[in-house]
Amino acid sequence: DAGVTQTPRHEVAEKGQTIILKCEPVSGHNDLFWYRQTKIQGLELLSYFRSKSLMEDGGAFKDRFKAEMLNSSFSTLKIQPTEPKDSAVYLCASSLKREQYFGPGTRLTVL
Amino acid sequence: AQSVTQPDARVTVSEGASLQLRCKYSYFGTPYLFWYVQYPRQGLQLLLKYYPGDPVVQGVNGFEAEFSKSNSSFHLRKASVHWSDWAVYFCAVSLLMGYKLTFGTGTSLLVDP
Repeated sequence: DAGVTQTPRHEVAEKGQTIILKCEPVSGHNDLFWYRQTKIQGLELLSYFRSKSLMEDGGAFKDRFKAEMLNSSFSTLKIQPTEPKDSAVYLCASSLKREQYFGPGTRLTVL
Repeated sequence: AQSVTQPDARVTVSEGASLQLRCKYSYFGTPYLFWYVQYPRQGLQLLLKYYPGDPVVQGVNGFEAEFSKSNSSFHLRKASVHWSDWAVYFCAVSLLMGYKLTFGTGTSLLVDP
């Protein structure tokens, strides 16, 4: 089975731009998670979906971050507008009610 | 709320030596505990998991961890470290199976040749 796929692997944006990150979970998994990883804050939850329904989103990220799951095999994370402090690695993970499997991440740099 | 503490930001061991990476958790109830490893420029890979049962769990590549309720700990061990183990190791806790993970800050493992 293919693992979690994330595209693009790298993204460079100007401050104020809108960017969309994409994630394809492991086939058959019904839980999907978005995390942000920075050196200072570590790993933080952005959003959590179960069977395409948004179960939780990280309160601190609500205003400019929007995750969607339009079907069971695809999710997007939109950041609008981007700020330099959004520079980080964005990780997507999926699970089937047990351990989470992570994608390779998207490294975002906001100039 | 649950939390995880990894007190050692960096650990250096010689190749062939034994290893212990420390993890302390804070949670009221029965936690589900995990160790993940992150190699440079990659995502997180699951090393091992603890679901309530045998306190010693075996993982991939010779890693094992021991759950201690009395010490609120879930330390990771390996008998003989290989240079390819050079990576960052994260301990994580979840209050439900399949629920969101709360991560520690990670421990960077450096291996001396």
